[in-house]
Amino acid sequence: GAGVSQSPSNKVTEKGKDVELRCDPISGHTALYWYRQRLGQGLEFLIYFQGNSAPDKSGLPSDRFSAERTGESVSTLTIQRTQQEDSAVYLCASSLSGENLSYNEQFFGPGTRLTVL
Amino acid sequence: GQNIDQPTEMTATEGAIVQINCTYQTSGFNGLFWYQQHAGEAPTFLSYNVLDGLEEKGRFSSFLSRSKGYSYLLLKELQMKDSASYLCAVRDSNYQLIWGAGTKLIIKP
Repeated sequence: GAGVSQSPSNKVTEKGKDVELRCDPISGHTALYWYRQRLGQGLEFLIYFQGNSAPDKSGLPSDRFSAERTGESVSTLTIQRTQQEDSAVYLCASSLSGENLSYNEQFFGPGTRLTVL
Repeated sequence: GQNIDQPTEMTATEGAIVQINCTYQTSGFNGLFWYQQHAGEAPTFLSYNVLDGLEEKGRFSSFLSRSKGYSYLLLKELQMKDSASYLCAVRDSNYQLIWGAGTKLIIKP
């Protein structure tokens, strides 16, 4: 079956512009995660959606970042008034459930490489 | 605070064995994951440990000691394609994954 897909694969934007990144999780996966990965660094948690529960936004670095998810399907991550420091790869992952399973591997999408000039 | 420590970079020879260590301090523990990430690609799942001991899967094994807050990933019979970053991640009491910065493994012929 299809894996996690993300679009666009690459995005170059000018400082101050807004960008919207899209993630299509694996069908049936109730948990969805957004991460940021700067060059040569580990994954930085941004936000987590689990079913119809309120999302965990504890990782969002500023109020310029927001994300939405439609039910248990597509999610969009929006960055307003982009800054050069926002340049990174934004990874989306989905899993069967975020909790209460002994084993719930996260499946990652290919990422969106964002470059802010 | 929560912290995952891994070596930044390791070098090993094709055909040899390498052990990548991971130590963690987290608020609670609900499992430890190892992921492999090739340059420019997304991470892919390698292993999961929630109980103490060794989990073996082909050439890769992962060990966990919860009392020591310690895990290692053991790669045997190294191949050039094993050159990648290896990410250690711990699931905390809120079932959130806390990620290490990754260990870049360089395999030399």
